[in-house]
Amino acid sequence: GAVVSQHPSRVICKSGTSVKIECRSLDFQATTMFWYRQFPKKSLMLMATSNEGSKATYEQGVEKDKFLINHASLTLSTLTVTSAHPEDSSFYICSAPTGTHTDTQYFGPGTRLTVL
Amino acid sequence: AQSVAQPEDQVNVAEGNPLTVKCTYSVSGNPYLFWYVQYPNRGLQFLLKYITGDNLVKGSYGFEAEFNKSQTSFHLKKPSALVSDSALYFCAVRDTGDYKLSFGAGTTVTVRA
Repeated sequence: GAVVSQHPSRVICKSGTSVKIECRSLDFQATTMFWYRQFPKKSLMLMATSNEGSKATYEQGVEKDKFLINHASLTLSTLTVTSAHPEDSSFYICSAPTGTHTDTQYFGPGTRLTVL
Repeated sequence: AQSVAQPEDQVNVAEGNPLTVKCTYSVSGNPYLFWYVQYPNRGLQFLLKYITGDNLVKGSYGFEAEFNKSQTSFHLKKPSALVSDSALYFCAVRDTGDYKLSFGAGTTVTVRA
């Protein structure tokens, strides 16, 4: 299957700082990527849809000024958690479909964010 | 609106026994159905999908799933479970023409030796 990478895999930061997470499609181009948040032993919550060359689409209740998304190229989307607080601590996962809407979404390995 | 239900939080089976993880869905159009598996502190790995065609879909690691339109179900099955199948399993659905996936709550599978 297709490969999606995330960096970093784990990050610890102080409250009030910003953290950037990268999501890359390694062997295919993705005009659309998705960012999810997962709490322990819980399902995935879609945060936003990242669109190459245009603004991201955020799900209801997700603060777009706090979770900045930039889809700079056909293989890279970034999620920046601004002014992070302990309640932002979570497992963040990105995904990308390989083509049309019938195609499979492939997921990155996730990033564990811990805000102290 | 689309949604997925996984009625069991936990499934426990003995190694070598059949494994079934249940999933039902609701969509307004034609469903595109997926199963993913997640190991601790890892992302989701794709197992199999149903888009159209044969109702029995075969996927990775010996898993298969059967699409049942009348019962709106897409249960995941494996004839003989392995200890290494112990993980968190997610069913997901996408409606016609939509990129967004809706996930079930997940089912934790434990296979005991």
